[in-house]
Amino acid sequence: KAGVTQTPRYLIKTRGQQVTLSCSPISGHRSVSWYQQTPGQGLQFLFEYFSETQRNKGNFPGRFSGRQFSNSRSEMNVSTLELGDSALYLCASSWNNNIQYFGAGTRLSVL
Amino acid sequence: AQTVTQSQPEMSVQEAETVTLSCTYDTSESDYYLFWYKQPPSRQMILVIRQEAYKQQNATENRFSVNFQKAAKSFSLKISDSQLGDAAMYFCAYRREGETSGSRLTFGEGTQLTVNP
Repeated sequence: KAGVTQTPRYLIKTRGQQVTLSCSPISGHRSVSWYQQTPGQGLQFLFEYFSETQRNKGNFPGRFSGRQFSNSRSEMNVSTLELGDSALYLCASSWNNNIQYFGAGTRLSVL
Repeated sequence: AQTVTQSQPEMSVQEAETVTLSCTYDTSESDYYLFWYKQPPSRQMILVIRQEAYKQQNATENRFSVNFQKAAKSFSLKISDSQLGDAAMYFCAYRREGETSGSRLTFGEGTQLTVNP
């Protein structure tokens, strides 16, 4: 079975731009969660989608949004990028609230 | 709100020796799961071990075992016969049980483990 796939692996953007990150979960997994990892704040939960509905949301501004498609693939969007949005964005999928399996992440650099 | 604390930012161990990483957590829930994840330089988070709070028996996975003290809200990871490939950042994580809580994980700050040859 293929693992969790995140694309792209690396992104460079400038302040004010917007960005979309993609996550394809393990086949059969209906839950997709997103996390932001930075040296200063550590790993922080962004949001979780289950069957195309947002089930949980972390404490991030409205510039961070996401969605999930009928095939369980998920996208995360960040609008009006700020320097502080530079981070590793990790996606994880799970089946039935069980163990979360992580992708390799997308490294976003905002210049 | 639940919090997870790892008080050891860095640890080191000699190859073939044993090391214990500490983790404490705070929660008012009685049903939850605890995890140790490993993040090597590749940045891929890998599950090391999982413990269900309702189970008194400590989980073990080959060279990895935990010491789960529910009353003390402590969840330490013991790595026996350390290998060079064990070098990584280790994260302790908590997940509340219950349908509405979903799969959300709360992570500790991490412990960077160095294995010396």
